[in-house]
Amino acid sequence: ETGVTQTPRHLVMGMTNKKSLKCEQHLGHNAMYWYKQSAKKPLELMFVYSLEERVENNSVPSRFSPECPNSSHLFLHLHTLQPEDSALYLCASSQGAYNEQFFGPGTRLTVL
Amino acid sequence: KQEVTQIPAALSVPEGENLVLNCSFTDSAIYNLQWFRQDPGKGLTSLLLIQSSQREQTSGRLNASLDKSSGRSTLYIAASQPGDSATYLCAANSGGSNYKLTFGKGTLLTVNP
Repeated sequence: ETGVTQTPRHLVMGMTNKKSLKCEQHLGHNAMYWYKQSAKKPLELMFVYSLEERVENNSVPSRFSPECPNSSHLFLHLHTLQPEDSALYLCASSQGAYNEQFFGPGTRLTVL
Repeated sequence: KQEVTQIPAALSVPEGENLVLNCSFTDSAIYNLQWFRQDPGKGLTSLLLIQSSQREQTSGRLNASLDKSSGRSTLYIAASQPGDSATYLCAANSGGSNYKLTFGKGTLLTVNP
């Protein structure tokens, strides 16, 4: 595997389900990000982890819960989501705050 | 608060044409600016990163320029090809401790054969 990978690529869940999105970066970076991309809106930063510590929480509802067990892995735990949470969720990584960000292919989430 | 605008929202050109995509940002105190390409339903591919101290960056047929004082960046694509069809996004990095990229809504480019 190279670059940034995300699983699953597609996810359909009910509003009462609990699911997790997984991201893994193979670039040796020390910062990882979760973004949300909804139709007709710019990408929105959700969370940032640097050296496995959360450094940014962009006013995201508590039904989204991130976890960063090490510098290569990032999870987004989902519970009691709403239909408006349906979107493409993108993971990214970088070496520090000021360098190029590299993105994964995304998880297309549909909440019924 | 940084805001990024991309004009036009959509652009359709014939193959072989040279074209320019525009990006403007409201806060000129940026650390760098990054251009991305996104194919439908896919993730983002980084194209070019311009540091605030640079005026331009080139990669193959792509050339990106940056004018911090006027809050503008342009992405120039030479000799466009149908494979260039995608959405192009620019994102401004305002530095600091928040690691935040502020994205525009993108320009949807269609290159017709």
